[in-house]
Amino acid sequence: ELKVEQNPLFLSMQEGKNYTIYCNYSTTSDRLYWYRQDPGKSLESLFVLLSNGAVKQEGRLMASLDTKARLSTLHITAAVHDLSATYFCAVALTGTASKLTFGTGTRLQVTL
Amino acid sequence: GAVVSQHPSWVICKSGTSVKIECRSLDFQATTMFWYRQFPKQSLMLMATSNEGSKATYEQGVEKDKFLINHASLTLSTLTVTSAHPEDSSFYICSAGGLAGTYNEQFFGPGTRLTVL
Repeated sequence: ELKVEQNPLFLSMQEGKNYTIYCNYSTTSDRLYWYRQDPGKSLESLFVLLSNGAVKQEGRLMASLDTKARLSTLHITAAVHDLSATYFCAVALTGTASKLTFGTGTRLQVTL
Repeated sequence: GAVVSQHPSWVICKSGTSVKIECRSLDFQATTMFWYRQFPKQSLMLMATSNEGSKATYEQGVEKDKFLINHASLTLSTLTVTSAHPEDSSFYICSAGGLAGTYNEQFFGPGTRLTVL
């Protein structure tokens, strides 16, 4: 059974600071996704990571994937209040069409 | 592209009634659609996977007779919560996959908040 864990579960950080969210998964995967969810809303796709060593960046967010360590990171640079949301990673098992297992989520609160 | 809609966005119903939620892929044909439920401050839990024209595959612990899923066309899947009870109150999110060139990425609908009184 694929298990996906994120840490921390909750993160309060000041504007301008940097921090990293970690996503560990338990079995081989060939695709990893990062999503953002605002309160009361559905998911917004942030990144799709397809191969070992993949790195993608969009604005103040950068995601990376290490398939050997079964680890993905979401790095936040110089946080701003607008980044406050819950962030989920989701992993697709190798060989499955597109079934996803979601991480526990990290609730990010950026304070002024 | 890759827009998925859900209807209704919220619904309040009495205990014992049935509620139908629609999920539509607006600009692509979705070979597979997924239904998730999310309780407050929790992650998304996959309920079932549906392929057009075939029976849905339910995850362990999800009652097939309670959560009826129909995927009648490549752009429409429906979830019917039968004889709803307060414990069925949740945020239901569908997603659609199968868009060519997207590495099996799922595109998520805006969600439906169900409250059962």
